[in-house]
Amino acid sequence: DAGVTQSPTHLIKTRGQQVTLRCSPKSGHDTVSWYQQALGQGPQFIFQYYEEEERQRGNFPDRFSGHQFPNYSSELNVNALLLGDSALYLCASSLAPGLAGPPEQFFGPGTRLTVL
Amino acid sequence: EDQVTQSPEALRLQEGESSSLNCSYTVSGLRGLFWYRQDPGKGPEFLFTLYSAGEEKEKERLKATLTKKESFLHITAPKPEDSATYLCAALNRRQAGTALIFGKGTTLSVSS
Repeated sequence: DAGVTQSPTHLIKTRGQQVTLRCSPKSGHDTVSWYQQALGQGPQFIFQYYEEEERQRGNFPDRFSGHQFPNYSSELNVNALLLGDSALYLCASSLAPGLAGPPEQFFGPGTRLTVL
Repeated sequence: EDQVTQSPEALRLQEGESSSLNCSYTVSGLRGLFWYRQDPGKGPEFLFTLYSAGEEKEKERLKATLTKKESFLHITAPKPEDSATYLCAALNRRQAGTALIFGKGTTLSVSS
């Protein structure tokens, strides 16, 4: 059973450029959440996608946008990159929140983005 | 403001020396408290979910407990392979989604 996969593993960009990161959820999961983890910090929630729509968003600017495809995979796009966007970007998959209780989220290995 | 605080930031243990990691939370209605393990440069690995005060869960040398204000991760007779950063995260009732609120983590080093 394949877990959460992310691509690419590493990425180097320059300020002002745009980047797209990709995520495939764990088999059977329909919800994808994205997190940003700066060095030495805990992950910070960016947004969540379910049924191809953004359902919840953290405190991130509009430069951060996303998409979910019919096969539940997802993309994270960041425009006009800043030096401060350098971080590990994590994708987590889960079942949709429901009456059974909060879903357990399983994380991918992350994409390390470096902005020069 | 919802907040999760972990202590200590770093912990060094000798192999076999048991200890506990602390996670205190101020969250508007806790829906769940999660523990993850993270190795350097990798994504967090799910360990436990706790839902209500008094609940306990165990896995090998790890045991997680939950009170109304904090959670503890007890490590019994740790081994060098237990060295990692342990992250605690909370989910609140105010939002019905999946937005985990993470602490900064405790970095555990176990030497033989």
